[in-house]
Parts: sequence; structure tokens; C-alpha cells
Amino acid sequence: DIQMTQSPPSLSASLGDKVTITCQASQNINKYIAWYQQKPGKAPRLLIRYTSTLESGTPSRFSGSGSGRDYSFSISNVESEDIASYYCLQYVNLPWTFGGGTKLELK
Amino acid sequence: QVQLQQSGAELAKPGSSVKISCKASGYTFTSYYISWIKQTTGQGLEYIGYINTGSGGTNYNEKFKGKATLTVDKSSSTAFMQLSSLTPDDSAVYYCARSGPPAYWGQGTLVTVSS
Repeated sequence: DIQMTQSPPSLSASLGDKVTITCQASQNINKYIAWYQQKPGKAPRLLIRYTSTLESGTPSRFSGSGSGRDYSFSISNVESEDIASYYCLQYVNLPWTFGGGTKLELK
Repeated sequence: QVQLQQSGAELAKPGSSVKISCKASGYTFTSYYISWIKQTTGQGLEYIGYINTGSGGTNYNEKFKGKATLTVDKSSSTAFMQLSSLTPDDSAVYYCARSGPPAYWGQGTLVTVSS
């Protein structure tokens, strides 16, 4: 199975900050990484697929980049509605595997 | 609009089984696989497996072979996951999701295993 190492586990930011989350895969995943946002009591929401393709409805302050084993996800100008947990998912190989998550909190 | 509606919370005893349903609407059911995902506080998100809603073919994460059984009823556009020989470690929220990476998810079903 491909292991996805996500960091940091938690992040504290002020409104308007830029934050970055990283995921490192245990092998090359050929850009098949997606990023999800999850709020308490809700299902994950797909924000980005294939490294950097924003889903319809995803604000442009969200972005993704990377290649090979190393990927990053950023939020520029953090807003209060962005307070949530974020997860990466590799879907190049079965079983799909998720990163451990990053909890974004307000400073 | 695409919707996946899951069945309600379950409280089950150790050693028993539960069967969770996921009813799809708003799209052609047999055009997309349904995946199942487990979420716990300790283990995070784990992929259980998927079912080909057209053929009924399945693929399971090795970790969940023997634990989860995926089935489908095309006539009602509903996918099912049965969890057997339940232990407290099976307590979790279980999601169904439309594959692809999953852009559409059910609301989740909380399964609590306790004596």
C-alpha cells in the first residue's frame, strides 16, 4: 500500500494568512492526489483533484501543486469558513490511502 | 442533483453484524462505482473497497477482507455494506462515496459496537 505522510497535523493561522499543507507519498503517485476539506459532523468535501484541478465551487484561494512523491496544498487569505480539517488522498493505486489529516485552527 | 442517502446509526453487540445502505439518486446508478470509507478518530480515513454497480464486481482493501461485504440492488439504486463479527474496533463512521476520486459522499453512518 502507498503511505501518505501529511504534515503538519495541526496548524494555527490568523485570518488573511497563507497556509500550506504537505503530503509525501511512499512512492511516485503521478499527480493522482486529491485534497479534501472536512468540517465536524460532515462528510469530506473534494476541493482539488489531480494535484491542482479545482472542483467546481472551490474558491480560487485554494491551490495545489507537486509531482512525483511530494505535494502541497495551500490556502491564501484564510477565511473563517476555512477552519476545518484537511486530508490528502492518493488514488493512483488501490487501496486508495489518505493522509493523516491537518486540523486548521484560528490563532 | 447527485445524492447518496445512507441509513441511520447502528448500535450493535460484539460478534453481531450490521448492514448499511446507501441509496443513490440524481444520476445513472450503474455508471459509477460506489466506494466505502471508514473514519475513526484514531485511524483517520480508510478505504474499505468498491463495488461495480453494473456488474456487482468488488474490490476490497486486504485489511477489510472478511470484515466487509459489498452488494448492490440495481432495481433500487442502492448499495449495501455488511460488516460481520463486529468488535469495538469496528466502531466508526462509515461513508459511501461515488468513485473517481470521490466527489459525492453520503452523510455517513455511525456504527457503535458495545455490549
